Amino acid sequence: AQSVTQLGSHVSVSEGALVLLRCNYSSSVPPYLFWYVQYPNQGLQLLLKYTSAATLVKGINGFEAEFKKSETSFHLTKPSAHMSDAAEYFCAVSGGSARQLTFGSGTQLTVLP
Amino acid sequence: KAGVTQTPRYLIKTRGQQVTLSCSPISGHRSVSWYQQTPGQGLQFLFEYFSETQRNKGNFPGRFSGRQFSNSRSEMNVSTLELGDSALYLCASSLEGSSSGNTIYFGEGSWLTVV
Repeated sequence: AQSVTQLGSHVSVSEGALVLLRCNYSSSVPPYLFWYVQYPNQGLQLLLKYTSAATLVKGINGFEAEFKKSETSFHLTKPSAHMSDAAEYFCAVSGGSARQLTFGSGTQLTVLP
Repeated sequence: KAGVTQTPRYLIKTRGQQVTLSCSPISGHRSVSWYQQTPGQGLQFLFEYFSETQRNKGNFPGRFSGRQFSNSRSEMNVSTLELGDSALYLCASSLEGSSSGNTIYFGEGSWLTVV
């Protein structure tokens, strides 16, 4: 079975500050890892995904994530937060025989002016 | 290229009724999955269809069902609605499904309120 743990259900940062959203996964097979963002009253938008090609993955809107197998982590970062980054962020895992995405519980990001 | 389209976007139903939600995947995508999102349970997998066959099913009661048509469009049905079925239902499409690392694209969702 696969699982995802997102540490911190709410994270607040000041505009211009570093954004760090934490994600740890559990998987018995090499995982595929995803970060999605959800704005209010909208669906999920893919930020980036890891599929074993490179451990540092760059996504849209200046976000990136690093796959660390030894730490079973896939943390999401952005050097400088914008007000428009305020949203809920979900980490997800799939792979092997798991034909679905297993999501973490989400992290609500607030950006303070 | 059009994205994943879900209809209706919002609906209100009464307990005991049934509801059908529709999803049109991205052109060329053969895998369609459905997820339920609630504040208490988060995002939970309902089922996945590929080439008109259900490939995988989540841990939901039999009141939740789905199907996929030859043009890859999918519908999900919930019978005998309960208050706890109130949720955002998200449809997702991909070329081959999430097990192969394909990018999974989500629609805007259908907001169901059961009263």
